[in-house]
Amino acid sequence: GEDVEQSLFLSVREGDSSVINCTYTDSSSTYLYWYKQEPGAGLQLLTYIFSNMDMKQDQRLTVLLNKKDKHLSLRIADTQTGDSAIYFCATLKGAGSYQLTFGKGTKLSVIP
Amino acid sequence: DAGITQSPRHKVTETGTPVTLRCHQTENHRYMYWYRQDPGHGLRLIHYSYGVKDTDKGEVSDGYSVSRSKTEDFLLTLESATSSQTSVYFCAISGTSAKAYEQYFGPGTRLTVT
Repeated sequence: GEDVEQSLFLSVREGDSSVINCTYTDSSSTYLYWYKQEPGAGLQLLTYIFSNMDMKQDQRLTVLLNKKDKHLSLRIADTQTGDSAIYFCATLKGAGSYQLTFGKGTKLSVIP
Repeated sequence: DAGITQSPRHKVTETGTPVTLRCHQTENHRYMYWYRQDPGHGLRLIHYSYGVKDTDKGEVSDGYSVSRSKTEDFLLTLESATSSQTSVYFCAISGTSAKAYEQYFGPGTRLTVT
């Protein structure tokens, strides 16, 4: 299977919470990331978590990491239409490597 | 905006012609990267640089070369463009020590090889 897997689409209503999931295979991943890409734009670093953490919260964003299951999730509270974008999960290998491995992205559509 | 520009932003070229894409940063960051983004593949690393004149291959380096003669510029060259190199190319940068693990991306270059 793929090194980093994400579901391709997610649709939520404005004001609801969105949860985007990601699974990865490399147990030596040290940092795990969430990027956001709007149409025609580059990737924006939203947040990232170090592998020895379970959770990280940053305003409306909550990242959960289950290292045992190699599962990463991004929760967006009070989802707004401006959150509509493609969200990429990415992992970084062990110390000394700066190469990111990306999933194929989850397209989040927010219904007004 | 992480102080990264890419040029050109759009280019159409013919098969067999050489093409050079430029990434320029104003952050004085040590690390620079070239990725390509294709439907169904996400982003894949082509080459990266860990200092002036220090470069290494990524996952999909065949058909590409890079050069870095100054900290601020990282060039990606397609020696003889092929249709399979039609893609969106992104440059990224990251710093040192605590910021080494934060990669920031440029706006991208859309390349079409006809």
